[in-house]
Amino acid sequence: GAVVSQHPSWVICKSGTSVKIECRSLDFQATTMFWYRQFPKQSLMLMATSNEGSKATYEQGVEKDKFLINHASLTLSTLTVTSAHPEDSSFYICSARPPGSTDTQYFGPGTRLTVL
Amino acid sequence: GQQVMQIPQYQHVQEGEDFTTYCNSSTTLSNIQWYKQRPGGHPVFLIQLVKSGEVKKQKRLTFQFGEAKKNSSLHITATQTTDVGTYFCRGGNQFYFGTGTSLTVIP
Repeated sequence: GAVVSQHPSWVICKSGTSVKIECRSLDFQATTMFWYRQFPKQSLMLMATSNEGSKATYEQGVEKDKFLINHASLTLSTLTVTSAHPEDSSFYICSARPPGSTDTQYFGPGTRLTVL
Repeated sequence: GQQVMQIPQYQHVQEGEDFTTYCNSSTTLSNIQWYKQRPGGHPVFLIQLVKSGEVKKQKRLTFQFGEAKKNSSLHITATQTTDVGTYFCRGGNQFYFGTGTSLTVIP
């Protein structure tokens, strides 16, 4: 099946710093990528939909100025957590939708962010 | 917001016992997908059901899609410790995951 990678797999940062997470589709071009966050023992919560070449669509309650999403190419989307705080600590997972598909998503391995 | 509910939220079973999780949607789904997430891991796609009343099997796992395409179930026969994890459903035309069922298998 299709492969989606994320980098880094985990990161620890100090409060107030910014962290960039990369999501890459390795063997297909993805016009649409999705960013989720997951708190311990909870389900995945969709944060935003990232479309190549256009602005991301954010879910209600997600601060677009805090969670900057850039989908500069058909194989790369980035999520930057700006001025991170301990409450931003979470598991961030991206997924990518292959061309021609409306339902299928392939998930990256996730990035565990810990903000001290 | 989320329109897909799963029950139960948690399930502890003795190894060898059967396990079932149910997924219920308030709206008709074009299809339904099931994922498994091991502790500390990411969701892994298991299967997709498309047709009304469809039943699919993967070894000890049986997946069913309801006639009205609003509910689905995942049944595991004779659980093993390798079945431990959280099972999520997702409506194909929605980007929201079900609330998940966390399965613990006691050896």
